[in-house]
Amino acid sequence: QVHLVESGGGVVQPGRSLRLSCAASGFSFSSYGMHWVRQAPGKGLERVAVIWYDGSNKYYGDSVKGRFTISRDNSKNTLYLQMNSLRDEDSAVYYCARDAVAGNGIDVWGQGTTVTVSS
Amino acid sequence: DIQMTQSPSTLSASVGDRVTITCRASQNINSWLAWYQQRPGKAPKLLIYKASSLESGVPSRFSGSESGTEFTLTISSLQPDDFATYYCQQYNNYSYTFGQGTKLQIK
Repeated sequence: QVHLVESGGGVVQPGRSLRLSCAASGFSFSSYGMHWVRQAPGKGLERVAVIWYDGSNKYYGDSVKGRFTISRDNSKNTLYLQMNSLRDEDSAVYYCARDAVAGNGIDVWGQGTTVTVSS
Repeated sequence: DIQMTQSPSTLSASVGDRVTITCRASQNINSWLAWYQQRPGKAPKLLIYKASSLESGVPSRFSGSESGTEFTLTISSLQPDDFATYYCQQYNNYSYTFGQGTKLQIK
């Protein structure tokens, strides 16, 4: 069964850093592009970053560019999001998600991990 | 950046009703549009991709259509499980922009 399990969320002070992880299982992780998508409390969805299946390309939303870094370790079936210089507005549930093949949207989502930025 | 304008933001309907939700793209997205359903406290679920293709396992009462840069999600006969929030998303370019969401609530 296909699974994505996020971890690493928590409460952090503004300006500090946090690293999220996403463990993938049940599919060939190295064959798929992967996303981080976040949702602030009571708000809509925002795609944070995407990484190609082989890590060769990465794209970021304007709100996190220069502060967040997406990466992956295909030998460990794990996706990461390094978040630096955190701001109050980065508080959200962060979802790890799989890019479906052949332009079929985002077809698998994790359960999410909560990040709260607060002094 | 491509902007997605979704409407309405809230929709009240009854079980058995036919409802439509609309999403308008700020430019051509070549049918690269998906629809998602999100229940409270849960992750989004893919319903429709490539504007009108039904994801495997999704009930046939859900359908998608397009006309130029306007896209529509239709639920033909609302079931109790369908009361949730729905989002469109373009994936024509790397920004993968979401619409603002439509909360479908019981009338």
